[in-house]
Amino acid sequence: GNSVTQMEGPVTLSEEAFLTINCTYTATGYPSLFWYVQYPGEGLQLLLKATKADDKGSNKGFEATYRKETTSFHLEKGSVQVSDSAVYFCALTRNTGGFKTIFGAGTRLFVKA
Amino acid sequence: EAGVAQSPRYKIIEKRQSVAFWCNPISGHATLYWYQQILGQGPKLLIQFQNNGVVDDSQLPKDRFSAERLKGVDSTLKIQPAKLEDSAVYLCASSLEGRLQGNYGYTFGSGTRLTVV
Repeated sequence: GNSVTQMEGPVTLSEEAFLTINCTYTATGYPSLFWYVQYPGEGLQLLLKATKADDKGSNKGFEATYRKETTSFHLEKGSVQVSDSAVYFCALTRNTGGFKTIFGAGTRLFVKA
Repeated sequence: EAGVAQSPRYKIIEKRQSVAFWCNPISGHATLYWYQQILGQGPKLLIQFQNNGVVDDSQLPKDRFSAERLKGVDSTLKIQPAKLEDSAVYLCASSLEGRLQGNYGYTFGSGTRLTVV
């Protein structure tokens, strides 16, 4: 079946450090891939997306590249800020007789000043 | 554009009581979802509506949970009777229909935090 696996958190970084949050998926065909971010006390917000292989999604300094050969969609940012502290969710949307979205378990990021 | 509106933001009830949550999606979004998010976990789909019809309710505990989307706009989710394990954040989301979900993703509300004591 379809699934999303994210690296376990929490991830703790100092401000201006490089961030990578790993995400791999299992799905047949060509799902669309997403990263959502959840700040404390809020709902999830779409951060970036990629709809086909080799696409790169980017937003607010975050990037992720759709790698079909490794079934991965790792989230990266070159220099994190304290305000990036949140929980990050990787997700895929797949047409399985209807469009369904599956979320990973989330990775909590703490950024220290 | 206005976001997905949910109410209430917080609710505390005793076990065996009933509770209802309300959601107003983004105008024009045909698809509406209710998710349950237990602390430290990713969202789990409870029910998906397309307009006012149910597309998927396979993970909805139908002995205690019910949901409706009258007129294909607002939706309510009800729990009766509540159990301790229902303590979670209940998220409503909406999206454009069908294949457009893959291009635009979901818009989530801020959620209702339910505590059952």
